[in-house]
Amino acid sequence: KAGVTQTPRYLIKTRGQQVTLSCSPISGHRSVSWYQQTPGQGLQFLFEYFSETQRNKGNFPGRFSGRQFSNSRSEMNVSTLELGDSALYLCASSAGGFTGELFFGEGSRLTVL
Amino acid sequence: AQTVTQSQPEMSVQEAETVTLSCTYDTSENNYYLFWYKQPPSRQMILVIRQEAYKQQNATENRFSVNFQKAAKSFSLKISDSQLGDTAMYFCAQPEAPGAQKLVFGQGTRLTINP
Repeated sequence: KAGVTQTPRYLIKTRGQQVTLSCSPISGHRSVSWYQQTPGQGLQFLFEYFSETQRNKGNFPGRFSGRQFSNSRSEMNVSTLELGDSALYLCASSAGGFTGELFFGEGSRLTVL
Repeated sequence: AQTVTQSQPEMSVQEAETVTLSCTYDTSENNYYLFWYKQPPSRQMILVIRQEAYKQQNATENRFSVNFQKAAKSFSLKISDSQLGDTAMYFCAQPEAPGAQKLVFGQGTRLTINP
C-alpha cells in the first residue's frame, strides 16, 4: 500500500505570493490533517478534513485554507505569504476510528524570502 | 486543552546503551491513546509505539517499550540496545479528544546515538 504522498517536497516563494501544497492519503483513508512544523513552535495543527468537510481547525489566520476532494486528496493554500510561514508542512492521513493514529507524509519544505 | 510536555530537548547516548525519554500529559478522559512518534533526519514521521490507557500492561515493540503511569500522567519511552538508526526527533502525542484525529504533540526530544 502506498504511503502518504506530498508535493512539492521543496519550494521557495517570496513574501506576498501564495502557495498550494498537495497531499494524497493512503488508499482508503478518508481523514487528512495538516500540521505546520517549525523549530520554535514545534508541531502545530492546521486543520483536518473528512469526506470533503473541514472537521477541525487550528489557530491560524484565514490566510491558511484547505480543501479535500472526493478522492480524499487534499490541498492547503497559504495566501499573502509572510517570512514566518517558512516551515515544514506535514500532511497525515487516518482511517478514522478511536485510536487517532496518524500516518504522515515526508512533508513540503516551504521557504519564504 | 490537552497538553503534552517533553522535558528533555536533547539527549545523546552511545550505541548499544539504553535510553529513556520522558513525557507527561494532561487529560480529563479515562480512556485514551498515547503515542510516540519518531522523525528521522529524512523527516517522515513514523509511529514507534502506542499505549491504550485502560490497559495496565505497558506496550512493547521489539527494542521499544513504554513506562505508562496513568495516575501520574507519565508516558516514558525506553529504547534498549540503541542503534545508530534510532537517531531522530521523538515526539510524544495524544489525541485532543477520544476518537479525534487531531494530535497534540510535545516539543520533541532530539536523540543522538553515537558510535
